[in-house]
Amino acid sequence: EAGVTQSPTHLIKTRGQQATLRCSPISGHTSVYWYQQALGLGLQFLLWYDEGEERNRGNFPPRFSGRQFPNYSSELNVNALELEDSALYLCASSWGLGQETQYFGPGTRLLVL
Amino acid sequence: AQSVAQPEDQVNVAEGNPLTVKCTYSVSGNPYLFWYVQYPNRGLQFLLKYITGDNLVKGSYGFEAEFNKSQTSFHLKKPSALVSDSALYFCAVRDGESGAGSYQLTFGKGTKLSVIP
Repeated sequence: EAGVTQSPTHLIKTRGQQATLRCSPISGHTSVYWYQQALGLGLQFLLWYDEGEERNRGNFPPRFSGRQFPNYSSELNVNALELEDSALYLCASSWGLGQETQYFGPGTRLLVL
Repeated sequence: AQSVAQPEDQVNVAEGNPLTVKCTYSVSGNPYLFWYVQYPNRGLQFLLKYITGDNLVKGSYGFEAEFNKSQTSFHLKKPSALVSDSALYFCAVRDGESGAGSYQLTFGKGTKLSVIP
């Protein structure tokens, strides 16, 4: 069974640009979660999608947004990039609303110059 | 609000010795507790979880964890450490009795485990 996949593996952008990160969940999983792992800040929850709807978002500004497609894959968009957005962005998926175990992808490392 | 504390930034243990990585939590309802491991430049791998039932939970790669409700702890243990266990370990919690707004996990800061040959 294929795991969670993310693309690209690395992304280099400059301040003010937009970044788009993609995630494909494990087959059959309907929930997708996004987390940011920045140096010194640990893992912080960004967004949660289930059945195409945004269910919850963490304490991040509106320039962090995303969506979930009918095939349950997901996209994270970060607008007006700032230097402090440099981090590893991790996507996780689970079976559905309230299902407890989240399985993580390898992440996308975003570097903002 | 839910929170997790991993009081040790780093744990060093000799190969073959038992290891313990500590975790304490705070939630308003029943805790769902998890341990994940992260190798350098990789995502998180699920090790084990406690939802309900036996307080001693067994997981992948010989790891186990003990849920202690009175001490609000969920320490990760392994009887005999391997050099290949060296990695970053994260404890996570979510409130099992909250509504839809709380399904995301709250993670501790992580503990770096170094197993010395």
